[in-house]
Amino acid sequence: NAGVTQTPKFQVLKTGQSMTLQCAQDMNHNSMYWYRQDPGMGLRLIYYSASEGTTDKGEVPNGYNVSRLNKREFSLRLESAAPSQTSVYFCASSESGGFGGYTFGSGTRLTVV
Amino acid sequence: TQLLEQSPQFLSIQEGENLTVYCNSSSVFSSLQWYRQEPGEGPVLLVTVVTGGEVKKLKRLTFQFGDARKDSSLHITAAQPGDTGLYLCAGQDDKIIFGKGTRLHILP
Repeated sequence: NAGVTQTPKFQVLKTGQSMTLQCAQDMNHNSMYWYRQDPGMGLRLIYYSASEGTTDKGEVPNGYNVSRLNKREFSLRLESAAPSQTSVYFCASSESGGFGGYTFGSGTRLTVV
Repeated sequence: TQLLEQSPQFLSIQEGENLTVYCNSSSVFSSLQWYRQEPGEGPVLLVTVVTGGEVKKLKRLTFQFGDARKDSSLHITAAQPGDTGLYLCAGQDDKIIFGKGTRLHILP
């Protein structure tokens, strides 16, 4: 019962480097989400995918891109990392619309220096 | 813009005490969820409340959804160190919005 699996757990990047955060869920959920969590700011939605083949911007999409690779996998890419992207990133999944609640991964702690 | 205000932001109490934390909004939600997040982990869903006035119990935790479906409370009876964590509420209408959380610390 893995739920939502995120990799890597920790990452340090230099300004300008790129990387992709990986997320996979094994619950056959239709919807997947990427959030960032910062002190004092709470959870903020970056991008979401309501169903396989669709993606939409959330509250803070600038500097990020996403790919819904298949029903299980939803990746988040930083093309040119900036210090402002230092954060903890969470992937989540849900049945359509999230009415029954979200299942979150354990997070990726990203530091951009 | 829909907002969920959680209070208090921080709470530190002794083991065995009772406490209540609040989640308030000016918006009506079709459902409201409560999560607990421990350090280094993602939030874990505790409960979803759907009907105005609904009360749900999870062992020593009691969740209530306001009659107007704009607010909710979480009451913990006889708090234990294992209750320590960040408690998040999330309101859902056409989208889900999260409050910033109440950080609870139970002292042994």
